Amino acid sequence: GAGVSQSPSNKVTEKGKDVELRCDPISGHTALYWYRQSLGQGLEFLIYFQGNSAPDKSGLPSDRFSAERTGGSVSTLTIQRTQQEDSAVYLCASSGGLARDEQFFGPGTRLTVL
Amino acid sequence: KQEVTQIPAALSVPEGENLVLNCSFTDSAIYNLQWFRQDPGKGLTSLLLIQSSQREQTSGRLNASLDKSSGRSTLYIAASQPGDSATYLCAVRGLGSNYKLTFGKGTLLTVNP
Repeated sequence: GAGVSQSPSNKVTEKGKDVELRCDPISGHTALYWYRQSLGQGLEFLIYFQGNSAPDKSGLPSDRFSAERTGGSVSTLTIQRTQQEDSAVYLCASSGGLARDEQFFGPGTRLTVL
Repeated sequence: KQEVTQIPAALSVPEGENLVLNCSFTDSAIYNLQWFRQDPGKGLTSLLLIQSSQREQTSGRLNASLDKSSGRSTLYIAASQPGDSATYLCAVRGLGSNYKLTFGKGTLLTVNP
């Protein structure tokens, strides 16, 4: 597609449930990132995928968070046993191709945990 | 640990004014710096990327400068318009193989007609 897409755009869930957030990067981009934007916290890095290399998971806040990237393209961020503090906007970005250093962001998924 | 600070946190100006947004970072060992714009409820739109070897980048009415040694960048907006109202975010990428960006908390700009 022309840009990074994310789904769903909004997700409301109950505390304790699992959620899956999807990111479709720009075609041909080898790098994919997940960030989280919380009120008062700003934007925080979560995880980074580059090609077939092992992902950098150093930003994941707890072991309830995991992500995978299938076929070097689509990525899914999974949050297990959601907590209210997980409420945030989850942003995905990709980079690569001719403008390889520039990160392009999707519209985000707004997660609300009740 | 890299820290990015943006000043001011909020800025309100009348239409037509030229303005400067400031960004500072604590670790000068950066690979590049990127300026973004975020509209309410939306994702981030990349405005300008400056490589560590560059001093400035220009796009239309926007000009971004970088002084790596002093840990500072500025975003200059000429002849501001109400459509420029948004949050402006500065982010730096460190050296090494990890491409992650460290963000400031942004400057909320309001341009009044």
